Amino acid sequence: QKEVEQDPGPLSVPEGAIVSLNCTYSNSAFQYFMWYRQYSRKGPELLMYTYSSGNKEDGRFTAQVDKSSKYISLFIRDSQPSDSATYLCATGGADGLTFGKGTHLIIQP
Amino acid sequence: ETGVTQSPTHLIKTRGQQVTLRCSSQSGHNTVSWYQQALGQGPQFIFQYYREEENGRGNFPPRFSGLQFPNYSSELNVNALELDDSALYLCASTTTRTGAYGYTFGSGTRLTVV
Repeated sequence: QKEVEQDPGPLSVPEGAIVSLNCTYSNSAFQYFMWYRQYSRKGPELLMYTYSSGNKEDGRFTAQVDKSSKYISLFIRDSQPSDSATYLCATGGADGLTFGKGTHLIIQP
Repeated sequence: ETGVTQSPTHLIKTRGQQVTLRCSSQSGHNTVSWYQQALGQGPQFIFQYYREEENGRGNFPPRFSGLQFPNYSSELNVNALELDDSALYLCASTTTRTGAYGYTFGSGTRLTVV
């Protein structure tokens, strides 16, 4: 079993839709949870980070962590074509990050 | 714009050769880590340095080694290159030892081994 599971997609939705991206993880020692966005031929860009269970909101993005079920989510409201990218969830502690495979998201104009 | 710069952007090497990839982090970023990203996969953790000492290592063989310098630069060395080493190599840095506030990534070096 991989430590972080993420559906690779592709996930295609119309512009303006609410997008839900999800990951599960297996190691209960993971303390930090992050979402990165990666455009083609670029490095990952940090979108959100959280430490504990609960929600964190930043503009159109909401990150949700449920440590009891080891489930991580990212919601994107009012999705735009510029949101089309690969979204990577990552968890970790003091010893580096463990990434999911990434979900390829396509927002159709 | 990212504060982490990597060089070179692209590189082609022959199997068996050695390669050095370089990274320059933002001032104050005492932790630097390196990742390998194969096509269609998430980044895989190679190792991490905090204040010039290795403080974490992923499941990579010893032919992957690194250094961190006092001026916030670092390098990744790979000896005896294999075809499977072809990937995007990413450098990431952060201000804390634990990475609690997220890492800033560079754009990567794309290494092709032929």
